Amino acid sequence: KAGVTQTPRYLIKTRGQQVTLSCSPISGHRSVSWYQQTPGQGLQFLFEYFSETQRNKGNFPGRFSGRQFSNSRSEMNVSTLELGDSALYLCASSRGTSNTEAFFGQGTRLTVV
Amino acid sequence: AQTVTQSQPEMSVQEAETVTLSCTYDTSESNYYLFWYKQPPSRQMILVIRQEAYKQQNATENRFSVNFQKAAKSFSLKISDSQLGDTAMYFCAFMKHTGANNLFFGTGTRLTVIP
Repeated sequence: KAGVTQTPRYLIKTRGQQVTLSCSPISGHRSVSWYQQTPGQGLQFLFEYFSETQRNKGNFPGRFSGRQFSNSRSEMNVSTLELGDSALYLCASSRGTSNTEAFFGQGTRLTVV
Repeated sequence: AQTVTQSQPEMSVQEAETVTLSCTYDTSESNYYLFWYKQPPSRQMILVIRQEAYKQQNATENRFSVNFQKAAKSFSLKISDSQLGDTAMYFCAFMKHTGANNLFFGTGTRLTVIP
C-alpha cells in the first residue's frame, strides 16, 4: 500500500510570507503528527491530529497551525515566516490507537530566506 | 516531561562487526513505548525496533536487538553483523501509552559502517 506522502518536497520562501505543507497518510490511518527537524533543536513535536481534531500540541508559537480533513489528509501552516523556521518538516501517520507504529513521510525541506 | 538522551553523537563500526548505541530517558510514566528509528540520507524515518515498557523481554528484529533496563531507564540498541546499508542517523524515541502519536526524540547518533 502507498506510504505517507508529503508535498512539496522542497520549498523556498521569504521572511514574512506564509506556507502550507501537505501530508497524506496511509489509507486507514486516522492520526497525523507533525515534527520539525533542525540541526540545532533536533526533532521536535509540533502537533497531532486525530479524526479532524487536534489531540496534542507541542511547544511552538501560534504561527504554526494545522488541520485535518475528513479523509485524514493534514496540512500545516506557518505564518509570518522567520529565518529560524528553516527546517525539515516530517509528518507521521498511525492508526491512532495505542501500540501502533508511526510511519513517516520523506519530509518537506523548507528554506526561509 | 519526558526527555531522551543519546550521549554518542557519532560512532563507526567495521562491516560485519557488532555495535551498540546508547539511550537513556527520563519519565514519570509507568507504561510507555520506546523506539529506535533510522534516518538514512534519504531523510525518511524508518522504524528499526519497538519495546513496550511492561514487557520484560528485550525486543529483537533480525540483526537488531535492544537491552531494556526499566529501572535504570536505559534502552540501548545492538546491531549485529553490521552492513553498509546500516549507515544512517539513529534516533531513540519515547511515546506515552495513551495512543497519542507523539514521539519524544533524542538528538541522534550518526553511525558509519566502514567497509
